[in-house]
Amino acid sequence: GDSVTQMEGPVTLSEEAFLTINCTYTATGYPSLFWYVQYPGEGLQLLLKATKADDKGSNKGFEATYRKETTSFHLEKGSVQVSDSAVYFCALSDYGGSQGNLIFGKGTKLSVKP
Amino acid sequence: DVKVTQSSRYLVKRTGEKVFLECVQDMDHENMFWYRQDPGLGLRLIYFSYDVKMKEKGDIPEGYSVSREKKERFSLILESASTNQTSMYLCASSSLGSGGGGYTFGSGTRLTVV
Repeated sequence: GDSVTQMEGPVTLSEEAFLTINCTYTATGYPSLFWYVQYPGEGLQLLLKATKADDKGSNKGFEATYRKETTSFHLEKGSVQVSDSAVYFCALSDYGGSQGNLIFGKGTKLSVKP
Repeated sequence: DVKVTQSSRYLVKRTGEKVFLECVQDMDHENMFWYRQDPGLGLRLIYFSYDVKMKEKGDIPEGYSVSREKKERFSLILESASTNQTSMYLCASSSLGSGGGGYTFGSGTRLTVV
C-alpha cells in the first residue's frame, strides 16, 4: 500500500543553519505531495504542496521539489529561525490508491536554538 | 476565519466511561476525519466521513465509533474508554475532490484515560 517515510528526529539546529528533512514515498498512482507543520499545542497546518513531478512547492522560506525518479520530497530551508521549531509531517494523497485520503509520515521534530 | 473547532483541549476520563469528542467545521466541507497522534507513531486515521450519515473505517477503528448527523459536525465516540486510548485526537475536514491540500485541522483534544 501507499506509504511515506521521513527521517527520524529530533533534529536540533542553531539559528540560521541550513535545514533538510528527508521524505520518500511509495504510491500506486500519481500522488500529490505535501508538507504539514504542527507548532506546539496546535493542529497541523499546510506548509506547502506539489501536485506533479518536478513541481516545487514553497512557503515561508521552505521549499520541496517533487522528484518522481527518486520518489522523494525533501523539505529544505536555507536559514532556520527559532520560530520554525515544530513537528513537520510529510504526506501524500493518491486518488488511485487511497481515495484521496492523506497518508502521513511519522513526523520529524525540529528544535532551533538561538 | 474558517476553522475546525474541537470542543475540548484537554479531557480526563475514567476507564470504562463512554467518551464523546466533538468536532465542528464552518467551511461547508463534505469530508471529515478523525486521527489520533502518538509519539513515534505519527498520525493514524480512525474514521472518516464523506457525507452526512456516512462513515468509513480508517486504519485503527477498533474501540471507536463515529456519528455524523449534520454536515458540519463529526463526533468520535469511545464506547468504553481504556488507558491505551490516552492520546491526542485531531479532527480535520476537506472539500470534495480537494485531495490532501484542502485539509484543515482542529487544535486537537488531549485525552487522558485513568
